[in-house]
Amino acid sequence: QQPVQSPQAVILREGEDAVINCSSSKALYSVHWYRQKHGEAPVFLMILLKGGEQKGHEKISASFNEKKQQSSLYLTASQLSYSGTYFCGTERANPAGTALIFGKGTTLSVSS
Amino acid sequence: GAGVSQSPSNKVTEKGKDVELRCDPISGHTALYWYRQSLGQGLEFLIYFQGNSAPDKSGLPSDRFSAERTGGSVSTLTIQRTQQEDSAVYLCASSLGFGTGVGGSYEQYFGPGTRLTVT
Repeated sequence: QQPVQSPQAVILREGEDAVINCSSSKALYSVHWYRQKHGEAPVFLMILLKGGEQKGHEKISASFNEKKQQSSLYLTASQLSYSGTYFCGTERANPAGTALIFGKGTTLSVSS
Repeated sequence: GAGVSQSPSNKVTEKGKDVELRCDPISGHTALYWYRQSLGQGLEFLIYFQGNSAPDKSGLPSDRFSAERTGGSVSTLTIQRTQQEDSAVYLCASSLGFGTGVGGSYEQYFGPGTRLTVT
């Protein structure tokens, strides 16, 4: 039931792009994305809802393919501040009223 | 308050002792969540509250773990007879609501966590 994130780790130079994927074996209602910097609490980035509504974050975008139960997070022109671990959290479509289940995370390291 | 607060920030306890971890959510947030994060691991869901009730306790690892929430605000996570494998960072989060009928599509605000070390 835990979503699978890939890749596990990404190393970038400033200005490069990255894509982080999240997939589930269950039908999903929504996908949430959070970023956690070392030693800090996770911080909300984005929610993608079934039906296409997206609540976003500046300079970071995402997609949600409901049929494939997959979401991708796109980080373009990466900055040093993008470094951290990215978690996707999935909310199942059935049964309703279930809590988020988070993946194991993708660690992103951006260097100058 | 300004954000979610948790206490203590660090707790070292001996194996077999009981511990209580506290979470103060953002004022007005009706939903409250507890997660556990072991070194290098993801966010393991433990339990959530909607108001004072806990509709989903499925993530609690064993009957040594329990949680309560009073007054729709403060929550306490209790671990009895602690074991070394309980060592982790325990994170609390709150959200404005819990999406009527379809689940938690509200963003969660996380506290700084309590680092528990069982020796």
